[in-house]
Amino acid sequence: QKEVEQNSGPLSVPEGAIASLNCTYSDRGSQSFFWYRQYSGKSPELIMFIYSNGDKEDGRFTAQLNKASQYVSLLIRDSQPSDSATYLCARARWTDKLIFGTGTRLQVFP
Amino acid sequence: EAGVAQSPRYKIIEKRQSVAFWCNPISGHATLYWYQQILGQGPKLLIQFQNNGVVDDSQLPKDRFSAERLKGVDSTLKIQPAKLEDSAVYLCASSLEGRQTDTQYFGPGTRLTVL
Repeated sequence: QKEVEQNSGPLSVPEGAIASLNCTYSDRGSQSFFWYRQYSGKSPELIMFIYSNGDKEDGRFTAQLNKASQYVSLLIRDSQPSDSATYLCARARWTDKLIFGTGTRLQVFP
Repeated sequence: EAGVAQSPRYKIIEKRQSVAFWCNPISGHATLYWYQQILGQGPKLLIQFQNNGVVDDSQLPKDRFSAERLKGVDSTLKIQPAKLEDSAVYLCASSLEGRQTDTQYFGPGTRLTVL
């Protein structure tokens, strides 16, 4: 079982729709969870992190964490073609060492 | 504020050759990371430095990979000898103090192709 699992996609959504990206993890000791965006041929950039159960909102992005179900999600509201990228989920335990999933490729079509 | 700098951006070598990558972190960042990202996968941490000391190198293939961070600023990652499976993008990242919630800023990466 992989430590962080993501569906590789692609996830295709129309412009203006809500994109829902999901991630599960196996280590119950995981404390913090991170969502990174990676455009093709570019390096990852942090979108947001979450460490408490529930929702965390930042602009058009909402991260959701459910530690009991070992599940993290990222919602992107009003999706734009510029959101088309690979979204990487990562977790950290006691330190800042990040364990990444393989990423979900999102395609937003006009 | 200048970002993380890496060079070269691309490198093509034959197997059994050696190669070195260079990274200059964001000024003032104490923590520096080297990641390996194979096509279609997420980044995998190879080594983490706090200033010039190694914090974690548990996933570094020490028989062929080495890294150093002299004076706690720039860092180099070396592969000798290279294997075909080393073909990947090598990403350098830095963070302010290496705390769990410190943002890790990534450089543009070096794309290595081993023939």
